[in-house]
Amino acid sequence: GAVVSQHPSWVICKSGTSVKIECRSLDFQATTMFWYRQFPKQSLMLMATSNEGSKATYEQGVEKDKFLINHASLTLSTLTVTSAHPEDSSFYICSASRGHTQETQYFGPGTRLLVL
Amino acid sequence: AQKITQTQPGMFVQEKEAVTLDCTYDTSDQSYGLFWYKQPSSGEMIFLIYQGSYDEQNATEGRYSLNFQKARKSANLVISASQLGDSAMYFCAMREGIWGYQKVTFGTGTKLQVIP
Repeated sequence: GAVVSQHPSWVICKSGTSVKIECRSLDFQATTMFWYRQFPKQSLMLMATSNEGSKATYEQGVEKDKFLINHASLTLSTLTVTSAHPEDSSFYICSASRGHTQETQYFGPGTRLLVL
Repeated sequence: AQKITQTQPGMFVQEKEAVTLDCTYDTSDQSYGLFWYKQPSSGEMIFLIYQGSYDEQNATEGRYSLNFQKARKSANLVISASQLGDSAMYFCAMREGIWGYQKVTFGTGTKLQVIP
């Protein structure tokens, strides 16, 4: 169990458009979801933590208006990159946990975003 | 200060041999969790093993074991009987915080290459 899916896996868009990435927990209820960004050959950088039904908590330096996060249900969180620019090109990964203190995070397969 | 430190950017190991990947951490929390993830070239983060700060026994999962030395704040991953499929990036991570708000920090990773 504990499968997390992400859609789409690949997206190429023009500069100035908005892109929505979905993260779903398929066989469990995810009280908490996390969004990460990973540049090539670098580690994962936490962007924000979202709890179902409440506003996301963003990490320092992450623009809230640029990266909109909606945790609408216990199985779905979305990340919208608004007015995307080439510097937003990256690998975005979500993870989900049931929210217990000692709970493992389960990761989605990631979404590669390329902004032209 | 770095929360998670992985000092080995790259490692080589002969097939069927054991290898240890180093990880040290820094936290003032009493309750925390330590994780190891594997990231193959496909990008997906694969959960390997978890150690809770209050766990007295070292965690083991098949060929993976975590050498947890709390006083030294180290959580090294030991892979026994290496296989060619073990070639990947390995990330050590730590979760701090309580239910409802957690933060996970990743190390910079170690690239493991298994030699036939």
